[in-house]
Amino acid sequence: DTGVSQDPRHKITKRGQNVTFRCDPISEHNRLYWYRQTLGQGPEFLTYFQNEAQLEKSRLLSDRFSAERPKGSFSTLEIQRTEQGDSAMYLCASSFYGAGVETQYFGPGTRLLVL
Amino acid sequence: DAKTTQPNSMESNEEEPVHLPCNHSTISGTDYIHWYRQLPSQGPEYVIHGLTSNVNNRMASLAIAEDRKSSTLILHRATLRDAAVYYCIRNSGGGADGLTFGKGTHLIIQP
Repeated sequence: DTGVSQDPRHKITKRGQNVTFRCDPISEHNRLYWYRQTLGQGPEFLTYFQNEAQLEKSRLLSDRFSAERPKGSFSTLEIQRTEQGDSAMYLCASSFYGAGVETQYFGPGTRLLVL
Repeated sequence: DAKTTQPNSMESNEEEPVHLPCNHSTISGTDYIHWYRQLPSQGPEYVIHGLTSNVNNRMASLAIAEDRKSSTLILHRATLRDAAVYYCIRNSGGGADGLTFGKGTHLIIQP
């Protein structure tokens, strides 16, 4: 399967702990996006990378959130000092930007539950 | 602000066509119309996109109004596997701010 993969698929943590999620994009894609989705809502944009550069961050991305894409391939999203309000599905998407209309391909998501 | 308006839910019967409407009255001349769908417990899945002309692919058809203020996603013969939330999205394609999803239309398919 050459689609977008995310790890772990599920994470349960206690309030105040740090968590890290990983996203592996489609290999030839140069853009990588992170979204958050809460129950009953559509996904909300958090941030995106073009290659290894983080080009945009949403105001939703508080100081406790940090994302990296060190070699322009996989990406990690870390949440420090988790809060119950961080409970959500975290989605990663990748795309190829630069030839035609950009289409994003999503991974299955990581479901986070903060107790 | 999703900048598109869709019905909260729609219901259809299996093997019948489904027409999912979307209003985007403030769309700019360079915005594409994208449709994604999200099956239960999965990430969103690209369905189709268009700019001005009607578009067809193996999953669906997209009919775009002449004034571009509305569009309709057409599933020609719905199956139970098409039960999902369908999102209509305006996208300038520039990447900034990612895709702006609304709440979408929850499509229910009756056997």
